[in-house]
Amino acid sequence: GAVVSQHPSWVICKSGTSVKIECRSLDFQATTMFWYRQFPKQSLMLMATSNEGSKATYEQGVEKDKFLINHASLTLSTLTVTSAHPEDSSFYICSAGAGTLHSPLHFGNGTRLTVT
Amino acid sequence: QKEVEQNSGPLSVPEGAIASLNCTYSDRGSQSFFWYRQYSGKSPELIMFIYSNGDKEDGRFTAQLNKASQYVSLLIRDSQPSDSATYLCAVKGNAGNNRKLIWGLGTSLAVNP
Repeated sequence: GAVVSQHPSWVICKSGTSVKIECRSLDFQATTMFWYRQFPKQSLMLMATSNEGSKATYEQGVEKDKFLINHASLTLSTLTVTSAHPEDSSFYICSAGAGTLHSPLHFGNGTRLTVT
Repeated sequence: QKEVEQNSGPLSVPEGAIASLNCTYSDRGSQSFFWYRQYSGKSPELIMFIYSNGDKEDGRFTAQLNKASQYVSLLIRDSQPSDSATYLCAVKGNAGNNRKLIWGLGTSLAVNP
């Protein structure tokens, strides 16, 4: 159980374009999903908490207008990197859990974004 | 003081040995504790979670929790080269923040054939 599917697994885009990444919980409902970013050889960095039916909560230093998050259903959250630049190239990972106190987070396989 | 601390390593053990990974946390109200494994270039995968004091065993893995000492550990028995990865400790906070994980920076483990 507890499968999180993330697409695409990799994407290459040109500077100035936008990229959408999807995150789906396949066998459970997730009122909350989390979006992380990880640069090579660095630790996970939480970008934002995606809440179903309401606005996402962004971590300090993360531009909400650049990283648009939509959580329209209990099984789908999307992250759109708008006007991407080479410095946005990174590994983006979503995660979701059942939302109870002791429930673990399960991660998607991640999306490797390269902006040229 | 960091909220979740791990020794960055690298921790190097021979194949077949026991690898011991440690994690301390600062929030005494923390409720749940998780160990993830992350291979280079891949996303984290859950190994074990624990929320009661004591030991919890799953195959070659044992998680140990001591809330009084604010300490959680992961033991890997009969270590294999395929266990070589970064191990991340994560702690879920108190009721006010109970769905957000606080992460350690990870311990790099190398199992030598």
